[in-house]
Amino acid sequence: AQKITQTQPGMFVQEKEAVTLDCTYDTSDPSYGLFWYKQPSSGEMIFLIYQGSYDQQNATEGRYSLNFQKARKSANLVISASQLGDSAMYFCAMREGRDDKIIFGKGTRLHILP
Amino acid sequence: EPEVTQTPSHQVTQMGQEVILRCVPISNHLYFYWYRQILGQKVEFLVSFYNNEISEKSEIFDDQFSVERPDGSNFTLKIRSTKLEDSAMYFCASSVGGGLGEKLFFGSGTQLSVL
Repeated sequence: AQKITQTQPGMFVQEKEAVTLDCTYDTSDPSYGLFWYKQPSSGEMIFLIYQGSYDQQNATEGRYSLNFQKARKSANLVISASQLGDSAMYFCAMREGRDDKIIFGKGTRLHILP
Repeated sequence: EPEVTQTPSHQVTQMGQEVILRCVPISNHLYFYWYRQILGQKVEFLVSFYNNEISEKSEIFDDQFSVERPDGSNFTLKIRSTKLEDSAMYFCASSVGGGLGEKLFFGSGTQLSVL
């Protein structure tokens, strides 16, 4: 069974609009961490934001925020005021408390339109 | 800013040949990883390495794969006898620690093409 599910294979958004990228996860471990990474067309993987399962507040990093709904097991990434440079593949990922590894979802390709 | 360095950026090999992919993790990092990505799709975990031994590996990481940290700076992935399906982008990553919130820093990847 998939542990990380990203249901939007692709999205098109007008520049300057806010965008929400969906992510749901599945774990029975009470201790886990959730990550979002960006992969532009150049191919590198860029860390964006992190949310721990025990964090009381939603994480924010500049224009990025993570809408963490623990009961629904969702960790959506919100990008405010999107820019052309936000066009990229976005991956949601999780580390469970007992693991070293981070596992990734299949990604969402975001296209920002001028 | 320190970064993870991978060489070569592109490797072409014949099926059945051995390849070694090289990585130099960030110098004060203690945890090392290899991931692969086929055709820009899902990023798949291969192996994690800590304290000079494998700490976790996936089903993909079979006997054809091995990792090594031959000195204090390099971290290598060896594929003994490459198959066509090994063609992928291979990413090396490192992290300071293995804690829950430790983010992984990724290299730029090695694109492996098996002919």
